[in-house]
Amino acid sequence: EDQVTQSPEALRLQEGESSSLNCSYTVSGLRGLFWYRQDPGKGPEFLFTLYSAGEEKEKERLKATLTKKESFLHITAPKPEDSATYLCAVHWWRSSASKIIFGSGTRLSIRP
Amino acid sequence: NAGVTQTPKFQVLKTGQSMTLQCAQDMNHEYMSWYRQDPGMGLRLIHYSVGAGITDQGEVPNGYNVSRSTTEDFPLRLLSAAPSQTSVYFCASSYSGEDGYTFGSGTRLTVV
Repeated sequence: EDQVTQSPEALRLQEGESSSLNCSYTVSGLRGLFWYRQDPGKGPEFLFTLYSAGEEKEKERLKATLTKKESFLHITAPKPEDSATYLCAVHWWRSSASKIIFGSGTRLSIRP
Repeated sequence: NAGVTQTPKFQVLKTGQSMTLQCAQDMNHEYMSWYRQDPGMGLRLIHYSVGAGITDQGEVPNGYNVSRSTTEDFPLRLLSAAPSQTSVYFCASSYSGEDGYTFGSGTRLTVV
């Protein structure tokens, strides 16, 4: 079964305390893995797309990595403004149809 | 450059009523999608379009219709609203479908 699982569901960190969020997937023929940030009451905001195992991308305090079955979003020395829900999604094609599944997200809270 | 614009932001419908959620983008993106977001279930794809005149079903299409007569607009029609359609609806667009999607700010729909 095609599935995307994010862990943990929620994570509370102290300001400056680095950690990682996980996104594991079971689809075959991955065309791209996306990371988004979502603030309460707003639409998701695009962060990264990763296309192949071994790829890494960085943006400010965030770094995303990809293996064949999972992706990690590393947060280095987070600040309170990094508090948000982080979503991952996987995209693939099957029988000429575009498929995309989002994970349920990780709610990240950074305490000052 | 407004990005992806969704209207209305809030709507209350009675069971059995029909309505159209509007979505417009000004980025000349070919790919457009509609999602619903429910607590604990993540974003689920309703319908998508890979260009004007071309639409296809996503994961949860029942009870919804779409059309794509122009590149800019992708309206979502609820044919006969049901309480199970109470949700937050997001429209998104992308240049290629394999890069990141830009999301609108959402429509919060309540069906009573």
